[in-house]
Amino acid sequence: EAQVTQNPRYLITVTGKKLTVTCSQNMNHEYMSWYRQDPGLGLRQIYYSMNVEVTDKGDVPEGYKVSRKEKRNFPLILESPSPNQTSLYFCASSLWQDNSPLHFGNGTRLTVT
Amino acid sequence: AQRVTQPEKLLSVFKGAPVELKCNYSYSGSPELFWYVQYSRQRLQLLLRHISRESIKGFTADLNKGETSFHLKKPFAQEEDSAMYYCAPRRPGSGGSNYKLTFGKGTLLTVNP
Repeated sequence: EAQVTQNPRYLITVTGKKLTVTCSQNMNHEYMSWYRQDPGLGLRQIYYSMNVEVTDKGDVPEGYKVSRKEKRNFPLILESPSPNQTSLYFCASSLWQDNSPLHFGNGTRLTVT
Repeated sequence: AQRVTQPEKLLSVFKGAPVELKCNYSYSGSPELFWYVQYSRQRLQLLLRHISRESIKGFTADLNKGETSFHLKKPFAQEEDSAMYYCAPRRPGSGGSNYKLTFGKGTLLTVNP
């Protein structure tokens, strides 16, 4: 089944403790992206990747890192999480062809205390 | 700067009433236009895209280039339409800021019985 898989679904951590949220897609998509979803602010793009070893900042990249060593994986890294990074995170992927839609993962709900 | 505006954060209608969710964009050229939907506790998924000129679950969306709008409409709302709806334009082609995908802040539609 074609899908985008994020892990974990839920994560509670403490300020400053490094964490990684994984994202994997099995559709051979070139494009992958991370979003955070917050009430009243909608979806905001954190980072995106156009292909292996090619990444760039979205609208809210501060406090996050990403890597794209393989086409299928695009992990999101929080080196020193803070409470303002408490949010619902979505990974998405797409073919980069005209009118190809984004395919989303199930989301990761992160709480930083 | 690219901007997407969904003016209504909340929209409440009764079952059987018409519904229109507004989306205005400020992109140069001819962006590709998408609507995504997020049902309660589920992942975002594509609802429809302009290029397909399709009707999905009774929803249609008309592009008005003069007003730079892509409003989502349904003549008779159903309770199962209750969800968060996001408008997402995308600039076609590759390169530069075309890879930054901006979503509107979303409209939460509630259809009351």
